Amino acid sequence: QKEVEQDPGPLSVPEGAIVSLNCTYSNSAFQYFMWYRQYSRKGPELLMYTYSSGNKEDGRFTAQVDKSSKYISLFIRDSQPSDSATYLCAMSEPGTEGYKLSFGAGTTVTVRA
Amino acid sequence: SAVISQKPSRDICQRGTSLTIQCQVDSQVTMMFWYRQQPGQSLTLIATANQGSEATYESGFVIDKFPISRPNLTFSTLTVSNMSPEDSSIYLCSFREGGTEAFFGQGTRLTVV
Repeated sequence: QKEVEQDPGPLSVPEGAIVSLNCTYSNSAFQYFMWYRQYSRKGPELLMYTYSSGNKEDGRFTAQVDKSSKYISLFIRDSQPSDSATYLCAMSEPGTEGYKLSFGAGTTVTVRA
Repeated sequence: SAVISQKPSRDICQRGTSLTIQCQVDSQVTMMFWYRQQPGQSLTLIATANQGSEATYESGFVIDKFPISRPNLTFSTLTVSNMSPEDSSIYLCSFREGGTEAFFGQGTRLTVV
C-alpha cells in the first residue's frame, strides 16, 4: 500500500464548475499537508499549505484536512481553463529541516472553455 | 520570492553516458533537494544537498549513480551517471521556504536511448 493515494484522473470539467480533488494517506503522524499545481513541462508550484485538521481558504481554492479519516481535499471554485494542470498532494511529519515529503501521484485536471 | 533556474530543460542521451543537471537559486538557501518524477508516479526524493557536507541519499539511490555537488548556498548539481533507459525521467530540484518545498525548478526531461 502506498503511503499517499491520489486518484490520477483525468478529470474534465466545464468552465465555472467546482473541481474536487482528494488524497488519502496511511501515516497518522502526518501533520503538514500541501497541494501543488504543475503545468505541463513545468515544475510544481505550491498552492496551499496547511497544518493539522481544518479548512484553509485562499481565493478560489479551499483545502480541507480530516485527520480522523486520513483524508485531504482541494476544492477549486469557479474553475477556469487556466486551472488545467496536474495537482499533487504532499504531506509530512513534524520535525526538523530534514523531514521528508510524501507525494501523491497527481490528478490531471482539464477545465473546458 | 526567490527564483530557481534549472538546466538543461531536456536532453536525449546515449546509454552509458552521464548528464549533469544544474540548479541555481537567486538567494542563499540552506537545503536543496533533488527529486525524480516518473510518468504516473509520485515525486521521489533522491537526495538532500547541504552546502559544505555530503549529500544525504534516500533508500534506493546511491552516490556513485547520482553524485551531487553543493559548492555554495545558491547552486547545486545532480549528475546521472552511466545512464540506462530506466533513468529516463524528469528530474527536479527544489528548496524550502516557510517550512516546505515552496519552489521547484522547471525540471529536466531526460530520455536515455
